[in-house]
Amino acid sequence: GDSVTQMEGPVTLSEEAFLTINCTYTATGYPSLFWYVQYPGEGLQLLLKATKADDKGSNKGFEATYRKETTSFHLEKGSVQVSDSAVYFCALMDAGNMLTFGGGTRLMVKP
Amino acid sequence: DAGITQSPRHKVTETGTPVTLRCHQTENHRYMYWYRQDPGHGLRLIHYSYGVKDTDKGEVSDGYSVSRSKTEDFLLTLESATSSQTSVYFCAISEFGGNTEAFFGQGTRLTVV
Repeated sequence: GDSVTQMEGPVTLSEEAFLTINCTYTATGYPSLFWYVQYPGEGLQLLLKATKADDKGSNKGFEATYRKETTSFHLEKGSVQVSDSAVYFCALMDAGNMLTFGGGTRLMVKP
Repeated sequence: DAGITQSPRHKVTETGTPVTLRCHQTENHRYMYWYRQDPGHGLRLIHYSYGVKDTDKGEVSDGYSVSRSKTEDFLLTLESATSSQTSVYFCAISEFGGNTEAFFGQGTRLTVV
């Protein structure tokens, strides 16, 4: 079946540091890929998405590129802020609308 | 924000009692899902529905049942709650089509004592 693997956290960075959270996937066919963010005490919010190979999703300074050759969708941000502290989930949706999540990565940004 | 409401938001129940969680949507989306979130496991799919009265099992369905009698409501029932079902439960909805995003409710924190 489909699976998503993302780096374990927590990831601790200083404000304005560069962020990378790795995500790789296993799936048949051509899934859509997503990054969701969860702030404390809240549900998941869509951060960005990419629906086909080489697409780049971007939002709020975050970006990720759908790499079919390496089955990856790494999340990056050039300069993190304290307000970016949250848990980030990589996910894929297959053609049958099944949504599979990675284990989540907690990001902590210190002033 | 997508119109998804979960109820209750918090619940404490005793082992062996039945519990029903409700998910209500106002978006008329075809797909509805129930996930549980546990430390170290991310989100795991319990059950999902692809239409009224059409449901199927996810990866952690044992001990849970669901029903969808109307497009807007998706109920998750723990027939006899156990401590291992203490978790945060999230409902999600999506429209048909593999490139559509899913929208999530605020979650229900369930504690089984």
